[in-house]
Amino acid sequence: GNSVTQMEGPVTLSEEAFLTINCTYTATGYPSLFWYVQYPGEGLQLLLKATKADDKGSNKGFEATYRKETTSFHLEKGSVQVSDSAVYFCALRTYTDKLIFGTGTRLQVFP
Amino acid sequence: EAGVTQFPSHSVIEKGQTVTLRCDPISGHDNLYWYRRVMGKEIKFLLHFVKESKQDESGMPNNRFLAERTGGTYSTLKVQPAELEDSGVYFCASSRDRSQETQYFGPGTRLLVL
Repeated sequence: GNSVTQMEGPVTLSEEAFLTINCTYTATGYPSLFWYVQYPGEGLQLLLKATKADDKGSNKGFEATYRKETTSFHLEKGSVQVSDSAVYFCALRTYTDKLIFGTGTRLQVFP
Repeated sequence: EAGVTQFPSHSVIEKGQTVTLRCDPISGHDNLYWYRRVMGKEIKFLLHFVKESKQDESGMPNNRFLAERTGGTYSTLKVQPAELEDSGVYFCASSRDRSQETQYFGPGTRLLVL
């Protein structure tokens, strides 16, 4: 079946540190891949997406590359800020149109 | 353009009571989805409406859950009777069409069943 596995948190970093949140997936066919973010007290927001192999999604300094050979979509940012503290969800979407999410990774950035 | 809105933001009820959650999608969005996140686990799909029709309800956990979307606008999700394991955050999302793929989420309704 289809599933998403992402690293458990919390991930605790100092401001300006490099961030990687790992995400791997299992899917039939060729899914689209997404990263959503939930800031404290808010709903889910789409952070970035990639719809085919080797695509790179980017937004707000975050990047993720669709790697078909390793079935991965790792989220990276070169220099995190305190305002990046949130829960990050990796997700895939198959032909059935529904999103399948990972468990979420909480990121805490300290000044 | 207004985003997806959900009401209430929080609900605390006792086991055996009934609760109705409401979702207003973005205007013009035919697709409406319900998801929930239980106990800090992954967000799981519940069902998908296209206009007023249920396209996929494979994620509905049992017959205590009833979703409706009369007229193809807002949707309600009723839980009757509520059980302790129904506690969690219920998210609604909408999209214009399947080819667009991006689903826009509401802030969620946090449900606590005591």
